Amino acid sequence: GEDVEQSLFLSVREGDSSVINCTYTDSSSTYLYWYKQEPGAGLQLLTYIFSNMDMKQDQRLTVLLNKKDKHLSLRIADTQTGDSAIYFCAEWWTDKLIFGTGTRLQVFP
Amino acid sequence: DAMVIQNPRYQVTQFGKPVTLSCSQTLNHNVMYWYQQKSSQAPKLLFHYYDKDFNNEADTPDNFQSRRPNTSFCFLDIRSPGLGDAAMYLCATSREGEKETQYFGPGTRLLVL
Repeated sequence: GEDVEQSLFLSVREGDSSVINCTYTDSSSTYLYWYKQEPGAGLQLLTYIFSNMDMKQDQRLTVLLNKKDKHLSLRIADTQTGDSAIYFCAEWWTDKLIFGTGTRLQVFP
Repeated sequence: DAMVIQNPRYQVTQFGKPVTLSCSQTLNHNVMYWYQQKSSQAPKLLFHYYDKDFNNEADTPDNFQSRRPNTSFCFLDIRSPGLGDAAMYLCATSREGEKETQYFGPGTRLLVL
């Protein structure tokens, strides 16, 4: 089956940039997503990128897609304490979302 | 304004006692999904509805059922909860033709005693 992998933890200082990485297995995925989940809450769609794009920028968020390596990254500029959460990468595959295991981002002062 | 609403936010049930979780939406989306998310794991799709057309994932246990009486509401029924069913249950919706963009509710955390 499809597999989406992420590193489990990332710790950054407030004001620095955060880069969260994800790898996926299906080269035919049409959409790739980043979701944010705060403690005890549901999933918030942050951004998504279509597979024919290499980069997408939305305010502090930059998504980079390397289709050859099946690698997706999310860069958060000027990381704030409110960005502390779990970030899930997901791909759209045969009519459903396949999620990674999530990366816990901790921002310290 | 809340768009996907889940009630209750926390549910405690006893081993083997049937429980129903509720989801409602104000988006008028015709696709609704139920996911199970266990602690420190990725959300896993249980089933979804296109309008009244029910689509079950192959590995969803028979213990899990769903009902969708109308566009706005969808229920998740767990007939005989086991300890392993303790999890966060997430409801999501999407619009036909835009299935790739899913809107999630806040989730219901289920505890089985």
